[in-house]
Amino acid sequence: AQSVTQPDIHITVSEGASLELRCNYSYGATPYLFWYVQSPGQGLQLLLKYFSGDTLVQGIKGFEAEFKRSQSSFNLRKPSVHWSDAAEYFCAVVLGNTGNQFYFGTGTSLTVIP
Amino acid sequence: DGGITQSPKYLFRKEGQNVTLSCEQNLNHDAMYWYRQDPGQGLRLIYYSQIVNDFQKGDIAEGYSVSREKKESFPLTVTSAQKNPTAFYLCASSIPGVADTQYFGPGTRLTVL
Repeated sequence: AQSVTQPDIHITVSEGASLELRCNYSYGATPYLFWYVQSPGQGLQLLLKYFSGDTLVQGIKGFEAEFKRSQSSFNLRKPSVHWSDAAEYFCAVVLGNTGNQFYFGTGTSLTVIP
Repeated sequence: DGGITQSPKYLFRKEGQNVTLSCEQNLNHDAMYWYRQDPGQGLRLIYYSQIVNDFQKGDIAEGYSVSREKKESFPLTVTSAQKNPTAFYLCASSIPGVADTQYFGPGTRLTVL
């Protein structure tokens, strides 16, 4: 069963526009939630993570994400996109009963147009 | 600088040959992981190791083997039994524990000719 879903395969935004990347999970309890970014041909870099507490999480590079339990979502946002944000973005979850095994979404590819 | 290194960056293999991908970390992490990445499929776990001399199969272990003789090193061998080995391979490490952040290496792109 799919634990984490990223509904958008590809998104294109203009530089300076706002961005929201969607992530939904399927799990009875609250999982641990992560967002990673991958530049072409590179490894993954952690943007932010949510374990508990404040549902709005701030990350690096001006990104933030909001955990919404009622919607089983952990969407990534940025108020103003820069051309350097063009990359692949992955949402990941760790389920509480599986130790440290990460389950990754299929990713969302972001294109930024000038 | 602390980090994870993977070598080589690009690797070509003829069908029927085994090949070993290197992963080294100097973060003093006990846990290490190997993932396979294919377009449109995200990352899938091949093997992981929580401690030296111990490792477990992930979701797609068939056709792969690993060893963990040193804390710093977790090499992955892609054997001839792996029917479709062309992919991007990523190594990661973490402090073992529930939901500890995984840190990734730069990856190795393997192409079977």
